[in-house]
Amino acid sequence: NAGVTQTPKFQVLKTGQSMTLQCAQDMNHEYMSWYRQDPGMGLRLIHYSVGAGITDQGEVPNGYNVSRSTTEDFPLRLLSAAPSQTSVYFCASSPPGRTDTQYFGPGTRLTVL
Amino acid sequence: SQKIEQNSEALNIQEGKTATLTCNYTNYSPAYLQWYRQDPGRGPVFLLLIRENEKEKRKERLKVTFDTTLKQSLFHITASQPADSATYLCALDDSSASKIIFGSGTRLSIRP
Repeated sequence: NAGVTQTPKFQVLKTGQSMTLQCAQDMNHEYMSWYRQDPGMGLRLIHYSVGAGITDQGEVPNGYNVSRSTTEDFPLRLLSAAPSQTSVYFCASSPPGRTDTQYFGPGTRLTVL
Repeated sequence: SQKIEQNSEALNIQEGKTATLTCNYTNYSPAYLQWYRQDPGRGPVFLLLIRENEKEKRKERLKVTFDTTLKQSLFHITASQPADSATYLCALDDSSASKIIFGSGTRLSIRP
């Protein structure tokens, strides 16, 4: 198993540009989530999904969209990038019925100029 | 308001000593609390989970306690080694929704 994969690893955007951060897992995990990590603020939940076709908002959802058309993929879309979205983004997944254990991807470092 | 706080931003201790990290929370009623390790440039790695009805959990040199009255978890690393240097994150489940909420982390440095 590749586990949780994220692409790209690094990205630089200009203010107002849009992009999609990709996340995929090959472990048949139902629960997937997106976090952002900023210095001194820990991991903050952006959006999460308990299964294909179901998504919900976390603590900081503004400026981000998600969809879950398959069990494997959970892309995060930035509609119009802002400098405040400069951060490291982590995707995570949990086995069926086991949201108490999360496996994290390697992260995407995003800079918005 | 709801908060989860890790009291020390950074902790420096001598190799061989026991490192103790603290995680406090307010206005949550978690069914469990987790501890993760994060190395620079990497994603967090799950270490231990302790449930609300458990007082203590151990795994090798790691020990976690959970006091639901104090709303606190302590994370201990005994016989610490320089390889234990990392940032340690606590997290809990927001039982009102399917969310895992993280603290800001404690950066632990073990000096030889």
